[in-house]
Amino acid sequence: GQNIDQPTEMTATEGAIVQINCTYQTSGFNGLFWYQQHAGEAPTFLSYNVLDGLEEKGRFSSFLSRSKGYSYLLLKELQMKDSASYLCAVMDSNYQLIWGAGTKLIIKP
Amino acid sequence: IAGITQAPTSQILAAGRRMTLRCTQDMRHNAMYWYRQDLGLGLRLIHYSNTAGTTGKGEVPDGYSVSRANTDDFPLTLASAVPSQTSVYFCASSDGQGDTGELFFGEGSRLTVL
Repeated sequence: GQNIDQPTEMTATEGAIVQINCTYQTSGFNGLFWYQQHAGEAPTFLSYNVLDGLEEKGRFSSFLSRSKGYSYLLLKELQMKDSASYLCAVMDSNYQLIWGAGTKLIIKP
Repeated sequence: IAGITQAPTSQILAAGRRMTLRCTQDMRHNAMYWYRQDLGLGLRLIHYSNTAGTTGKGEVPDGYSVSRANTDDFPLTLASAVPSQTSVYFCASSDGQGDTGELFFGEGSRLTVL
């Protein structure tokens, strides 16, 4: 079956760096997505990786290794507003998105 | 402001009742989706539509139906609600297959079935 694994919860300190990992096993691969979801709100798009390597976008970076079925989201200079759930999703060979359960990130002052 | 509008935002419903969740987008996106989100689980696809006039079943379609009469609207109907359908429902849209596939989500509809 298809599976996306990510930690349930992480805690980090304001101003620090945190890495959220995602491993996947899917039928085919057409890209990996990271979304941010604040409590009680809709998910919003953060990043898309289809080739191996690091994609940087401001304080957020996303890395992909297709051979390892692995990605991470790196958040730098953490701010309190970064407290949210981070969802990893993989687009399979049928162009359907398979979603992880999300990682709840708690930022402490 | 362009985007996706869902209604209602919240609803309490008696088991056995019929309910339609509305979804409208003004971005002229071809593809639209309905997901449910439950605690501890990833978003699960209920139904989707790649273009007006076509629909398809997702991962958890039982008990739900959809229609896509035009590009903008994609209502989700629960013919006879059951307590296991208590969830937060998100409608989403995208430009379609083959590109980055970024999804744009509505604000969600929180449904409680008693």
